[in-house]
Amino acid sequence: EIVMTQSPATLSVSPGERVTLSCRASQSVSSNLAWYQHKPGQAPRLLIYGVSTRATGIPARFSGSGSGTQFTLTITGLQSDDFAVYYCQHYNNWAWAFGQGTKVEIK
Amino acid sequence: QVQLQESGPGLVRPSQTLSLTCTVSGASISSDGFYWSWIRQRPGEGLEWIGNIYHRGNTYYNPSLKSRLSLSLDKSQSQFSLKVSSVTAADTAVYYCARSPRVVVAGKGGFDYWGQGTVVVVSS
Repeated sequence: EIVMTQSPATLSVSPGERVTLSCRASQSVSSNLAWYQHKPGQAPRLLIYGVSTRATGIPARFSGSGSGTQFTLTITGLQSDDFAVYYCQHYNNWAWAFGQGTKVEIK
Repeated sequence: QVQLQESGPGLVRPSQTLSLTCTVSGASISSDGFYWSWIRQRPGEGLEWIGNIYHRGNTYYNPSLKSRLSLSLDKSQSQFSLKVSSVTAADTAVYYCARSPRVVVAGKGGFDYWGQGTVVVVSS
């Protein structure tokens, strides 16, 4: 069973800043890695799949990188709409798992 | 426009079986390109993958829940369903259904479409 670990648990940032969120897998997940944005009362929103491919309609300020077991989500020029919880998630043909999430809050 | 909608009781008694249904529109539940999924969020916690089902009947369960889970499909109604047996207060959560593309067919992964979620409370 692959375990996903995100850090930090909470990030306090100001609008306009660049934000970097980390995700580590307990074993290699190849390129089967996605990122989500989740706001209270809403369904999670797929941001990135395949480590670095933005989902339909996702702004270019969201970017993903990494390989194997270490991955990063970067938000460049944080906007007020971006304050939320972000999850990484691995997928394959028999198991799926989320990290515990990183909350991006207003400083 | 792909849409998913969860339905089912909002209150379940302890030790009973939780049953939810997800109705899919704008996509074929019989497509080779997708799994159909359940995810939940317990109060104050993160997202937890529950299980996936494929239209040929293959099922994939979270190991921590596997002994209490059952997923099924009704192609005629374009619906898939979740049953969790022997529930406790720890099963109180927002339950989401979602679509999961098969990487080898769709060329992408993750959960790309979600229902709005339904709150299930386990209480006597």
